[in-house]
Amino acid sequence: NAGVTQTPKFQVLKTGQSMTLQCAQDMNHNSMYWYRQDPGMGLRLIYYSASEGTTDKGEVPNGYNVSRLNKREFSLRLESAAPSQTSVYFCASSELAGGPKVAGELFFGEGSRLTVL
Amino acid sequence: GENVEQHPSTLSVQEGDSAVIKCTYSDSASNYFPWYKQELGKRPQLIIDIRSNVGEKKDQRIAVTLNKTAKHFSLHITETQPEDSAVYFCAASNAGGTSYGKLTFGQGTILTVHP
Repeated sequence: NAGVTQTPKFQVLKTGQSMTLQCAQDMNHNSMYWYRQDPGMGLRLIYYSASEGTTDKGEVPNGYNVSRLNKREFSLRLESAAPSQTSVYFCASSELAGGPKVAGELFFGEGSRLTVL
Repeated sequence: GENVEQHPSTLSVQEGDSAVIKCTYSDSASNYFPWYKQELGKRPQLIIDIRSNVGEKKDQRIAVTLNKTAKHFSLHITETQPEDSAVYFCAASNAGGTSYGKLTFGQGTILTVHP
């Protein structure tokens, strides 16, 4: 099993360009998440998808959109990149333990390092 | 929403010493408190977690304690080794409403273990 796979691993964009980060998991998890990691700020939730067909905003959703394409795939799109979106992006998935409101272990992808010039 | 504060931001110890990292959270409805370790250039990985129905959990050299009244929890690493050097993140999950397993993370602690 590959676990959580995200692409690309590295990307450089110019301000105003758009791009999509792809994420796929092969663990049959219902829930998927996109986090961004910035120095000194921990991991901040951008968007999440509790189950196929649903998405919702996290802490820092502005400037991003997501698509839960199917149970396996959850993509993150930057429509008009800004320097403030320079970050490392992590996709994660989890199987909620005991129901929709009980958290379980997050399995992370390897990360995507995005630089916006 | 939930807010998690983590201290210290950096921690330097000698091999064999103990290390303690502390976190406080704001939402009394939170009931799940995991700790993640992230080695340089790698993905975060779960090392231990605790739920609100217990006060302490141990796994070999690591332990986590939870004080729900004071809303704080701590990670304890004993007999530290150089391979423990990494960034450690605490997190909390609010099981109320439509949280769906969302985690709020602390800011991270860079632990350096000197041989």
